[in-house]
Amino acid sequence: DAGVIQSPRHEVTEMGQEVTLRCKPISGHDYLFWYRQTMMRGLELLIYFNNNVPIDDSGMPEDRFSAKMPNASFSTLKIQPSEPRDSAVYFCASRDSKNIQYFGAGTRLSVL
Amino acid sequence: EDQVTQSPEALRLQEGESSSLNCSYTVSGLRGLFWYRQDPGKGPEFLFTLYSAGEEKEKERLKATLTKKESFLHITAPKPEDSATYLCAVRITGGGNKLTFGTGTQLKVEL
Repeated sequence: DAGVIQSPRHEVTEMGQEVTLRCKPISGHDYLFWYRQTMMRGLELLIYFNNNVPIDDSGMPEDRFSAKMPNASFSTLKIQPSEPRDSAVYFCASRDSKNIQYFGAGTRLSVL
Repeated sequence: EDQVTQSPEALRLQEGESSSLNCSYTVSGLRGLFWYRQDPGKGPEFLFTLYSAGEEKEKERLKATLTKKESFLHITAPKPEDSATYLCAVRITGGGNKLTFGTGTQLKVEL
């Protein structure tokens, strides 16, 4: 398996623009997680899905953030409108039956 | 409030100089403690899971141990390729399938 695949790897955008991050989980994994990593706050959980259904979105910072999982092999995290404080590395992870989360390589987002 | 604290924040070792990284936790109920390794520009990579006090897991030069209040990641005779940030995370009772991560220990092993 190719592992968790995220795109794009890098995204540079201007304040106010819409940003969409994409994730393809490992086939057969029924949980998908979105995290944000910054120097100040470390790795923070934003939202997670089980069988494509959002279970806990308490970590989503505000209404500008939304996430969807239309099927078992694809998820998106959208920020609209983006702000400079959203600059961070965003990770997607999927979980196997032994509760181990496997992370993608991340998307480095810079909002100017 | 559930907390995970890692120390030290950064550690510099000479090749072959063994040491330990600490992860202390204050949680309502532990359902698992996880160790991950993260290399620059990459996502965290799973190392170990520990579930109960007294449990130990080993992999090459790494050994993870768990007590009721903390976990240690022992690194024996480290090599430069062990340089990375080591993250611990906890899964807690009532927390569903969430992992709460510590801020990590940045390890550098020099020749």
